Amino acid sequence: LAKTTQPISMDSYEGQEVNITCSHNNIATNDYITWYQQFPSQGPRFIIQGYKTKVTNEVASLFIPADRKSSTLSLPRVSLSDTAVYYCLVASGSGYSTLTFGKGTMLLVSP
Amino acid sequence: AAGVIQSPRHLIKEKRETATLKCYPIPRHDTVYWYQQGPGQDPQFLISFYEKMQSDKGSIPDRFSAQQFSDYHSELNMSSLELGDSALYFCASSKPSGISYEQYFGPGTRLTVT
Repeated sequence: LAKTTQPISMDSYEGQEVNITCSHNNIATNDYITWYQQFPSQGPRFIIQGYKTKVTNEVASLFIPADRKSSTLSLPRVSLSDTAVYYCLVASGSGYSTLTFGKGTMLLVSP
Repeated sequence: AAGVIQSPRHLIKEKRETATLKCYPIPRHDTVYWYQQGPGQDPQFLISFYEKMQSDKGSIPDRFSAQQFSDYHSELNMSSLELGDSALYFCASSKPSGISYEQYFGPGTRLTVT
């Protein structure tokens, strides 16, 4: 499974757009990219998944360039409640959706 | 909406004791996953079950075993507990829906081994 690399931490202010970039140089043809959010002492929560180009849902956008070696999670107009750890995961498209968590990005949103 | 239920929420055991954690997936979800998250660590996948059969195995110690029952609930059995087993144990479930990596996590069981 492709190894992912993302910033250890990021700081932002309320109302700003936050972009978290993840690199996954060894992503395989069948792999998908998915992002999860985790608050302290809570289970991770699914944010978004994508294969290529751009995916948008009600909470975030995911940008994946043509070579798929990286991806960027975009959070529009963050609030204090978006302070959390964000995980970028590469999941095998083989059928079983096992998730392998690496080191996530601790996002701190300040007033 | 119904969520994943885990019990107990907190458990304190002594070294060398056994523990059983239970997970009740969201109705009509056919796959259950177990994760371990130590203090300050990232979640680590332990094992998963699809339609009551083991589907994938991660870094689950030999001292641990798990199964999924006919009603789809799952149990994680842990024996000869060690101090290092102290962690949050999450169960997650997913529904049959093509290629989707959306797993629904439960609130977790906090296991403390003393």
